[in-house]
Amino acid sequence: GQNIDQPTEMTATEGAIVQINCTYQTSGFNGLFWYQQHAGEAPTFLSYNVLDGLEEKGRFSSFLSRSKGYSYLLLKELQMKDSASYLCAVMDSNYQLIWGAGTKLIIKP
Amino acid sequence: DAGITQSPRYKITETGRQVTLMCHQTWSHSYMFWYRQDLGHGLRLIYYSAAADITDKGEVPDGYVVSRSKTENFPLTLESATRSQTSVYFCASSETENTEAFFGQGTRLTVV
Repeated sequence: GQNIDQPTEMTATEGAIVQINCTYQTSGFNGLFWYQQHAGEAPTFLSYNVLDGLEEKGRFSSFLSRSKGYSYLLLKELQMKDSASYLCAVMDSNYQLIWGAGTKLIIKP
Repeated sequence: DAGITQSPRYKITETGRQVTLMCHQTWSHSYMFWYRQDLGHGLRLIYYSAAADITDKGEVPDGYVVSRSKTENFPLTLESATRSQTSVYFCASSETENTEAFFGQGTRLTVV
């Protein structure tokens, strides 16, 4: 079966760095997405990786290793507004997105 | 307004009733999707559409019906609502099959 694993919850301190991991087992691979979802709101796109390596976008970076079935989202200089759930999703061989259950990130002052 | 909008935002219905959730996008995106989101689960795809008059089942299609007569609209109908269909429903659209999806605000549906 297809499976996406990410930690259920993480806690970090304002100003610090946090890494949210995602491992996957899917039928084929056509890219990995990270989305941010604040409580009660819609998911919003953060990043897309299809090749191995690191993609940097401001305070957020996303890394992919296809051989290991592994990705992480790195958030630097954490701000209170970064408190949200972070969703990992993999596009399989049929171009369907398989979603992880999300990681709830709690930021403490 | 530009974007993707869902209506209603909140809905309470009774078991056995038919209910339709609306989704409208103004970008002329080819692809549209319906997901449900439940605690402890990732987003689960109900149905998707690659273009007007083309729809296909996702992971959890049972009990749902969709149509897409116009590119901009993609309504989702629960033919006979059950309590297990209590959920938050998200509509999304994307330009192509492997580009970022844009989500509507969601519809919180409660079946009593």
